Amino acid sequence: QQQVKQSPQSLIVQKGGIPIINCAYENTAFDYFPWYQQFPGKGPALLIAIRPDVSEKKEGRFTISFNKSAKQFSLHIMDSQPGDSATYFCAASGGGANNLFFGTGTRLTVIP
Amino acid sequence: KAGVTQTPRYLIKTRGQQVTLSCSPISGHRSVSWYQQTPGQGLQFLFEYFSETQRNKGNFPGRFSGRQFSNSRSEMNVSTLELGDSALYLCASSLRWGGYNEQFFGPGTRLTVL
Repeated sequence: QQQVKQSPQSLIVQKGGIPIINCAYENTAFDYFPWYQQFPGKGPALLIAIRPDVSEKKEGRFTISFNKSAKQFSLHIMDSQPGDSATYFCAASGGGANNLFFGTGTRLTVIP
Repeated sequence: KAGVTQTPRYLIKTRGQQVTLSCSPISGHRSVSWYQQTPGQGLQFLFEYFSETQRNKGNFPGRFSGRQFSNSRSEMNVSTLELGDSALYLCASSLRWGGYNEQFFGPGTRLTVL
């Protein structure tokens, strides 16, 4: 059973567009929600993470929005660039544990 | 600062064999986690080691095992390989166990089982 559901599976945007990737979870024990970026042949790299005590967090062009009551969170990439083309994973963990439950990934393509 | 290193990067084995993968965490990191990545199942947590002790385990059969050495380096072993074990095996290191620690992933070992 997939503990974190992610959509869409793939996304194509024009350069400068704002791709949005959505994730949902059921386990209310989750309290740490990171996003990872993975390029082909590389391991995932942490982009940004949020705890449920805030509803939004920004780091550079990346923003996480978090809706605790709906148990949903999303990643927005402002002013997207071709170099942002990668697979993005949302994840969740709880209780301070390091074991992450990952979403199924979104393959983003930014067209120049 | 050097990142997480994993060896070997690529491995081809046949069914029934066993395999050992190695992970060297970032210097100073004491927690090492292992994940399996496949197109069908995505990224799934295998286990986590801290201070040479397994702290957490995912839902994988006992054929998957691991250990951690006193220098925090870790190995994982898969015995009696099956075709379905073909995957990218990722190692992630973090400073400590417990708390909300950023995990840094290595490039992975691509295992192909024929």
